[in-house]
Amino acid sequence: QKEVEQDPGPLSVPEGAIVSLNCTYSNSAFQYFMWYRQYSRKGPELLMYTYSSGNKEDGRFTAQVDKSSKYISLFIRDSQPSDSATYLCAMGSSNTGKLIFGQGTTLQVKP
Amino acid sequence: DGGITQSPKYLFRKEGQNVTLSCEQNLNHDAMYWYRQDPGQGLRLIYYSQIVNDFQKGDIAEGYSVSREKKESFPLTVTSAQKNPTAFYLCASYPGQGKPANTGELFFGEGSRLTVL
Repeated sequence: QKEVEQDPGPLSVPEGAIVSLNCTYSNSAFQYFMWYRQYSRKGPELLMYTYSSGNKEDGRFTAQVDKSSKYISLFIRDSQPSDSATYLCAMGSSNTGKLIFGQGTTLQVKP
Repeated sequence: DGGITQSPKYLFRKEGQNVTLSCEQNLNHDAMYWYRQDPGQGLRLIYYSQIVNDFQKGDIAEGYSVSREKKESFPLTVTSAQKNPTAFYLCASYPGQGKPANTGELFFGEGSRLTVL
């Protein structure tokens, strides 16, 4: 069983839709949760960072962490064609200091 | 502008050849990392270095080698011992002395795509 599981998609939605991207994990020691966005043929860039449980909002993006269920989500409101990319969840703990990445979900937002 | 430069962007190699991927950063970051990205696998850590002249193996180091002679540079050599080297390789850096999981922000280059013919 992988430490982090992410549905690879692809996910295709119309412009303006609400998008929900999810990851589950098995290691209860994870404390730090991130979402990276990766455009085609580019390196990933950090989109959202959350420590422990709770929600964090940044513009159209909301990151949610439910440690009791070992489940994290990224919501994108009013999705735009420019949001078309691969979204990678990542998580880590201060014990190892190492980031574990999900497989990535490819999102296409159609105009 | 500060950033991470990886070269070459695309590389073709015959079986049995060693190849070296370049990674240079002008962000003055102490820590540097090499990841491999395959479809459906996410990013897997190959090697990392937290300080000049020191580096550690990651999860999939077999068939790879690195050096860290300068703070700015962290080249990766894919040797002929790597059984399945065709992949997208990403170099990253981290500004802190601590571990990247604590703040999450790794800065990535644009990657090098290696294809073995």
